[in-house]
Parts: sequence; C-alpha cells; structure tokens
Amino acid sequence: EDKVVQSPLSLVVHEGDTVTLNCSYEVTNFRSLLWYKQEKKAPTFLFMLTSSGIEKKSGRLSSILDKKELFSILNITATQTGDSAVYLCAVRNTDKLIFGTGTRLQVFP
Amino acid sequence: EPEVTQTPSHQVTQMGQEVILRCVPISNHLYFYWYRQILGQKVEFLVSFYNNEISEKSEIFDDQFSVERPDGSNFTLKIRSTKLEDSAMYFCASRRQVNTEAFFGQGTRLTVV
Repeated sequence: EDKVVQSPLSLVVHEGDTVTLNCSYEVTNFRSLLWYKQEKKAPTFLFMLTSSGIEKKSGRLSSILDKKELFSILNITATQTGDSAVYLCAVRNTDKLIFGTGTRLQVFP
Repeated sequence: EPEVTQTPSHQVTQMGQEVILRCVPISNHLYFYWYRQILGQKVEFLVSFYNNEISEKSEIFDDQFSVERPDGSNFTLKIRSTKLEDSAMYFCASRRQVNTEAFFGQGTRLTVV
C-alpha cells in the first residue's frame, strides 16, 4: 500500500530557530514530491521536487529529495511566528497526490 | 494572482440530502481534482478529471459521488445522499499540465447532521 510518513508530528520552537521536517515515502509510480503549507484551510504550494540531490530554495525555506532512500526534508531557517502552520508532504502517484499526516509547527516569540 | 475558488465556504445539510459543491479552477488549467480532509485526518484523494472525463478515482468515490464540468469554467462535486461520515472539508484543486504543481481552493466545509 502506498504511504507517506512525516515526522515529527508536532514541533514547538522559538523564533529564530532552524527546523527540519522529514518526509519518507513508499509509493509506486513515483512522479514527484510536493510540500504544502496549511494554515487555516487550503494547502498552499511550497515546492515540487522530481530529481534527487537538487535543492529547491525560496527565502528561508529549502527542500531536497533523495529518491534512493525515498525521503525528503524541508528546512526552515530563522523561523518566524508566521511560519506556524501544518506542513504537508505529498507524493504524486500517476495522477493523484498521496498526503502524509503533516507536521504541526508552532513558533513562539 | 489566479486562484481556485470554491463555493460555498460552509454547507450544512441533513443526512440523505443531495449536495453540490462548486469550484472554479484556474482558467488555463486542464487537470481538476477533488480531495477531502476529515477533521484531524489526512487529506485524501477522491477523483481526478481530465478532458471531460474521470481519469482516476479512489475507493471513497463510490456511486454516491459524481463530478461534472458543465461549462468552460465550473467543476462540481455532487453527493447524492449524504451520510454523517461525509462531513469533511472538501478541496478542489487544479493544475496546468503534467508535472506541474496542483493549486488548491480554500475548501468547502460540509457538515451533515
């Protein structure tokens, strides 16, 4: 059965800390891995990764994929309270996304 | 910035009633999806739609569910006879082409009482 597992489930940090969120997967017909941020309702797109070893970066966020070991990490440096959200990892299998349970990040001032 | 829009934002319905959830995908997108998220659980795939037909559906998407693209802009999800366990946030998503990211709407919270 296809699955996507995220860890930790929950993380509490102070502003300025750096965090690493993990996503491992076992999915047949892998096409790509995506990271989304979910604050109140809609998941908002962060990154899409298709190739191993190529880091994607956007401001303080970065992500990398390892297709051999079947995992990805999402790094957030110098966290801010606005980074508080649930971060979702999803793997595209054929034409659908298979989501993990998410990591709930809380950043306190 | 273009976005996926969904209406209504919240719908309360009685068990056994039919509901239609509406979505307007981003205008130049070709692939359309419905996902749902039961409170406290994972986002789950329901159905994908391309070229005016269903391309894939999950086990959740049984005969009670149907999708339609009645015109060039709307994409709807119909639940014929709602059950209590259909209560969830329903997300519409769209993407432009193969190997591009999917963009999600703000969701419709469906409450079946």
